[in-house]
Amino acid sequence: ETGVTQSPTHLIKTRGQQVTLRCSSQSGHNTVSWYQQALGQGPQFIFQYYREEENGRGNFPPRFSGLQFPNYSSELNVNALELDDSALYLCASSFTSGAKETQYFGPGTRLLVL
Amino acid sequence: GNSVTQMEGPVTLSEEAFLTINCTYTATGYPSLFWYVQYPGEGLQLLLKATKADDKGSNKGFEATYRKETTSFHLEKGSVQVSDSAVYFCALSKTTSARQLTFGSGTQLTVLP
Repeated sequence: ETGVTQSPTHLIKTRGQQVTLRCSSQSGHNTVSWYQQALGQGPQFIFQYYREEENGRGNFPPRFSGLQFPNYSSELNVNALELDDSALYLCASSFTSGAKETQYFGPGTRLLVL
Repeated sequence: GNSVTQMEGPVTLSEEAFLTINCTYTATGYPSLFWYVQYPGEGLQLLLKATKADDKGSNKGFEATYRKETTSFHLEKGSVQVSDSAVYFCALSKTTSARQLTFGSGTQLTVLP
């Protein structure tokens, strides 16, 4: 049990719709990262938030956006959904303080776009 | 850019067999290297890591050595158990902490009793 929770666990949307996925970080963690894991693939880094500011982004278009709240929970928003957005979305939280840091992953939200 | 290449699976072994899962990487500079494990229905868990050349990471009987000369970080275990059945991911980070990870495609391991 990592203390990182994600909601919902499963979601079905249609192409063109918008979706919001949520992550509740482990208590005290100030950094959250989001990853997209397509079926049979490794996770791909989407972006990272530290103290409510985005401080790193992978190769994803602007229709992928996020928020981190003062209580360090976060959201991933995806606009104009495409079929290829179907994947498991993982969030990972950590406490950033110098070089020592361990990320804890949540169980993921499985998104299916029809 | 950075990339990680893992041995393709699935891998099926009998209990107590020796395990090797190959991992090679491409990166500029001196990345940190990680192995993560994903059990069915659970989130990714850090298994072990190494932050500089010749470092050996170890945990739960698993080991991996950071080989800069061959850009490799192969995962090994001397005697696998049924409970080791999971998907294993090799990953790298440009920092010593596990941030902005680049993952391999994963290797499914099944251990039969």
